[in-house]
This record gives sequence, C-alpha cells and structure tokens, in this order.
Amino acid sequence: GEQVEQRPPHLSVPEGDSAVIICTYTDSATAYFYWYKQEPGAGLQLLMSVFSNVDRKEEQGLTVLLNKKDKQLSLNLTAAHPGDSAVYFCAPDTNAYKVIFGKGTHLHVLP
Amino acid sequence: EAAVTQSPRSKVAVTGGKVTLSCHQTNNHDYMYWYRQDTGHGLRLIHYSYVADSTEKGDIPDGYKASRPSQENFSLILELASLSQTAVYFCASSATGSGNTLYFGEGSRLIVV
Repeated sequence: GEQVEQRPPHLSVPEGDSAVIICTYTDSATAYFYWYKQEPGAGLQLLMSVFSNVDRKEEQGLTVLLNKKDKQLSLNLTAAHPGDSAVYFCAPDTNAYKVIFGKGTHLHVLP
Repeated sequence: EAAVTQSPRSKVAVTGGKVTLSCHQTNNHDYMYWYRQDTGHGLRLIHYSYVADSTEKGDIPDGYKASRPSQENFSLILELASLSQTAVYFCASSATGSGNTLYFGEGSRLIVV
C-alpha cells in the first residue's frame, strides 16, 4: 500500500522567511494530494488540494509542487508569519476512503 | 459551514472499562471516519463508513468497534479500554470516498489509566 514520508518533523523559521515541507509517496496511481493544517487543540483543516495532472498550484502565499517522476510533493509557505505556526500534514489520496497522512511537520514561525 | 462535532472532548477511562466516542455531522456526507493521532505517527484510520448501518475496518481496527446508526452519527467503541489506546481521536466526514475534502471534528482526548 501507499507509504508516505514527510520531512522535516520540526521546522523553525524567522517571520518573513519561507518554509518548505516535503513529502514522498510510493503509489504512482495516487490521484489527489492534500495538505492539511492543524492548529493547537483543533482538528485538521484543508489547506490546499491538487489533482495529479497539476505540477504547480499557488494560493494566498502557498505553493504546492508535485513531481510525479520522483513521487514528491512539497508545500512552500512564502513569507511565513506567526499565524502560520501549526502542524502541517501531507495526505495522498490513493483511492476510495484511503487517505494516508504523513507524520506531520511542526512549524514554528519566530516573530 | 460544514460541521463535525465530537463528544466527549476529553475523557479519562480505567483500564478494562468501556468507552464510547460519538461523532455527529451536519454536512449531509455519506462517508465518515475515525482516526487516531499519536505523537510521531500522524493520523491512522481505525474504521470508516460509507452508509448507515454499515462500517468498514481501516488500518488499525483491533480493539475498536464502530457503529453508524444514521447518516449523521458515527460512534467509536472501545469495549475493553487499554493503556495503549491513550490518544487523540478524530472523526471526519467527506462527501465521497475519494477526491474530496475531509472535514474534521476538534478531537477527543482519551486517557486510559
């Protein structure tokens, strides 16, 4: 089945810098890719989603890159601010019901 | 606004006792899920359901049962709680089983002593 590796587990960046989180997956048939954000004491909320025919997607200071050849998905937060401090999860969606979550990246944006 | 509510939000249970975690969604979604979150493990799927009165095993179903009495409600049942089941449990719903956003509840923190 699908395996997901997410790195780094912890990331601290100064305010205004970019933060990059990377996931690698194993199933080349994965059709959808999600990034979720979890703030302290809360559930996960969808950050961005991309379909497998998209290489790059940008929304509101976030960039998702999909490299299908290397089976790598990345999330880039440009100009991070303290409100971005949270845990981020990548989640490839292989087929019906089967969303596999990475182990998460704890992002700390230093004011 | 999609809404998934869980109860209780926090619970302390004794080893060997029965625990029921409840989830209610107002999204009119067919799919509902129970995940477990442990430090260093991300989220792991315990049970899911795509129709009322039917449940399916996820990746880590041992020690857990699930019940879906209606489209809106999905419960997770620990018949004999064990120390290893101390974790945060999340319920989620989605419109279909693939290619759709998961909407999560705020989680239920369970401590088994």
